[in-house]
Amino acid sequence: QQPVQSPQAVILREGEDAVINCSSSKALYSVHWYRQKHGEAPVFLMILLKGGEQKGHEKISASFNEKKQQSSLYLTASQLSYSGTYFCVSAMGNQFYFGTGTSLTVIP
Amino acid sequence: DGGITQSPKYLFRKEGQNVTLSCEQNLNHDAMYWYRQDPGQGLRLIYYSQIVNDFQKGDIAEGYSVSREKKESFPLTVTSAQKNPTAFYLCASSRQKPGQGIDGYTFGSGTRLTVV
Repeated sequence: QQPVQSPQAVILREGEDAVINCSSSKALYSVHWYRQKHGEAPVFLMILLKGGEQKGHEKISASFNEKKQQSSLYLTASQLSYSGTYFCVSAMGNQFYFGTGTSLTVIP
Repeated sequence: DGGITQSPKYLFRKEGQNVTLSCEQNLNHDAMYWYRQDPGQGLRLIYYSQIVNDFQKGDIAEGYSVSREKKESFPLTVTSAQKNPTAFYLCASSRQKPGQGIDGYTFGSGTRLTVV
């Protein structure tokens, strides 16, 4: 039931763009995205709901394909502060399930 | 400011001891959760509670226990039955149950537990 993310890791230069994908084997009601820096708690970035309602971050966007049970997170013009591990979280039934994680490193 | 407070930040446990991790929130959230994170891995759900005096097991509940006597508090006890307790423990809360709303989790800053 754990969502699978791709890629597992990515290295970007400042200013480059990245896409992180999240796939679930089960139907999704909503998908959350979080960023976690080393040794810290995850920080909420964005939520996407079935039906299109979205609440999120001003510099990061995301999409949610309900039929394909997939979500993608788009980071444009990356900054050094974007480095961290990104997790998607799917809501199914009464539980949230964290994805496998994507490590993103932005270098100068 | 509202938030979640976890304590202690670092905890050392001798083998065979029970230890309790504290989690308090003043966000008036109904749902609270405990997750465990091992190095380089994602978060795994230990227990969750959607209402006072009620809680459910997550994927890795064995060796752990919780209580939810107050809305604000959701302490986690790591018992001696947990054979590999060294990990980073995160408490979280949300206003709504999964699948019911547009709010995500708010996390505490975590407790790093080490068995010595």
